[in-house]
Amino acid sequence: GESVGLHLPTLSVQEGDNSIINCAYSNSASDYFIWYKQESGKGPQFIIDIRSNMDKRQGQRVTVLLNKTVKHLSLQIAATQPGDSAVYFCAENRYNTDKLIFGTGTRLQVFP
Amino acid sequence: DTEVTQTPKHLVMGMTNKKSLKCEQHMGHRAMYWYKQKAKKPPELMFVYSYEKLSINESVPSRFSPECPNSSLLNLHLHALQPEDSALYLCASSHLTTGALSYEQYFGPGTRLTVT
Repeated sequence: GESVGLHLPTLSVQEGDNSIINCAYSNSASDYFIWYKQESGKGPQFIIDIRSNMDKRQGQRVTVLLNKTVKHLSLQIAATQPGDSAVYFCAENRYNTDKLIFGTGTRLQVFP
Repeated sequence: DTEVTQTPKHLVMGMTNKKSLKCEQHMGHRAMYWYKQKAKKPPELMFVYSYEKLSINESVPSRFSPECPNSSLLNLHLHALQPEDSALYLCASSHLTTGALSYEQYFGPGTRLTVT
């Protein structure tokens, strides 16, 4: 969903469940995508990336899916843990530039 | 070492003050960035330096003046700021985009700036 005013979209999941965070990107010329995790009081932390010649990439407990047809990106977190609680941003890199554009962010809350 | 360091961690300044934010990385990255982040918002790009030269200025007001003295250091000089400039200022670095290959940006912890 889209953020409205000062409110971040929030996803609440129970510990141990899987989480899926979605992102729509804006520019079909973007060819590189990154997911960042930002905890309170800290800078964004790299989680996983994917290039436009791929549609899926897996890391440890995380999977990123890219659908270029509808300009959609998702982050799947398996067996969500309390330490996963944070704001998650997708970011798109415009082709042949060093310019990274961030999405609006989703807050993930993990409850026991 | 994948760390980007920023100093100070917190800064309070009046509208007539001059202050500087500092950023350092030792990963051999030749691209360095300044972002501004307001509460509950994503980081917004301000400046990009490539090979110590300013390559992107996202129409940032002149009261923000970046400087890249060498490949490891990035400064942001602040003068005559407004209260609405209060935000978290993030520094990042990365390898340079080469043709079709872009690289992840590593972020520092940020400087929390309050303008009074």
